Amino acid sequence: RKEVEQDPGPFNVPEGATVAFNCTYSNSASQSFFWYRQDCRKEPKLLMSVYSSGNEDGRFTAQLNRASQYISLLIRDSKLSDSATYLCVVNIGGPFNTDKLIFGTGTRLQVFP
Amino acid sequence: EADIYQTPRYLVIGTGKKITLECSQTMGHDKMYWYQQDPGMELHLIHYSYGVNSTEKGDLSSESTVSRIRTEHFPLTLESARPSHTSQYLCASSEYGVGDKGTQYFGPGTRLLVL
Repeated sequence: RKEVEQDPGPFNVPEGATVAFNCTYSNSASQSFFWYRQDCRKEPKLLMSVYSSGNEDGRFTAQLNRASQYISLLIRDSKLSDSATYLCVVNIGGPFNTDKLIFGTGTRLQVFP
Repeated sequence: EADIYQTPRYLVIGTGKKITLECSQTMGHDKMYWYQQDPGMELHLIHYSYGVNSTEKGDLSSESTVSRIRTEHFPLTLESARPSHTSQYLCASSEYGVGDKGTQYFGPGTRLLVL
């Protein structure tokens, strides 16, 4: 079983749709949580951190449920430019005070006109 | 935009050649990382460094080696490239920030093809 599990998709949605991505993680000692976005053949870029209280950044809302070890990302009013792979990322902490990020395989989103 | 750079962006090379993938960052971050990513797959950590003169192996076994002589520079070397080394190699760096512990910034990656 993977440490971070995501539905691989693809999610094909029309412009303006609301889409939700789910993610589960297995390490209960995980310290911090993120959503990264990765465009085709590009590097991952931080989309947003995820907090237990839930947080919102424009059209994007992220939620964390530590008890269920579940993370979600909601995208409202999808744009064509939202088409990408969304990576669920968990920091379980590494030795020497480093970060140890565990990446999901990503959920691919394709927004069509 | 993150100030982290990788060269070359693309490399096609024959089996048995020695290669060095360059990574540099101008953010003064102490921690740097190398990941390997195959198409459609998740990133796997192969090396990391928590400061100058420190290097550690990651979770994914790799025949590559790294060095960290300067804060801003974290090159990866393959002494003898093989087709199994064909992959994308991503370099990242991080510095703790309150509330965002673990945020890493990635370079554009090097796509390596070994023939």
